[in-house]
Amino acid sequence: EAEVAQSPRYKITEKSQAVAFWCDPISGHATLYWYRQILGQGPELLVQFQDESVVDDSQLPKDRFSAERLKGVDSTLKIQPAELGDSAMYLCASSSPKWDSKNIQYFGAGTRLSVL
Amino acid sequence: AQKITQTQPGMFVQEKEAVTLDCTYDTSDQSYGLFWYKQPSSGEMIFLIYQGSYDEQNATEGRYSLNFQKARKSANLVISASQLGDSAMYFCAMREGWNTNAGKSTFGDGTTLTVKP
Repeated sequence: EAEVAQSPRYKITEKSQAVAFWCDPISGHATLYWYRQILGQGPELLVQFQDESVVDDSQLPKDRFSAERLKGVDSTLKIQPAELGDSAMYLCASSSPKWDSKNIQYFGAGTRLSVL
Repeated sequence: AQKITQTQPGMFVQEKEAVTLDCTYDTSDQSYGLFWYKQPSSGEMIFLIYQGSYDEQNATEGRYSLNFQKARKSANLVISASQLGDSAMYFCAMREGWNTNAGKSTFGDGTTLTVKP
């Protein structure tokens, strides 16, 4: 069954260090999303890609966060330097309106980040 | 700006009974999609059900149904015959625009459902 792959599942880092998360969307899905989910809250969109182009990064803290999807397939989200408040679950999702008129977002298992 | 409100932080239901999880939304768009997701303790978000703003019939997917009241801007999830495995966090979400990739998605803060044996 097709799924969104994310790694690592868990990451522990110290503040001021750099961290990176990887996401491989469902094959053929042109749209890729990165969300941040703080414990007890709903996911918040950080960045949305259409193929290799960013279509929405209005909530991405650009002073420390960066995201890329160079070939329009897999994607990397980076935080440098990490801060204590970055501790959260980072979720990746993908969708494809070409295949699915409802344009449902399918999520990966997420990366749980703890900043010490 | 679009907004999703889930007013029930936690809900309890007896196994085999039905339960309704509330969701209200706010948008100025005429075209939008409403989604419900389940998030078990493992963390993965699992898609449950979808309702389009122009759909005249309430959506159903197995034990899940969506009670869509457009005028009241509500999209409540009904789970029939609850099972122990239904214990999880449930999120209501909305995407503005009609299956367009440019439509921004907004999630509510979720409802924790606990099914009692």
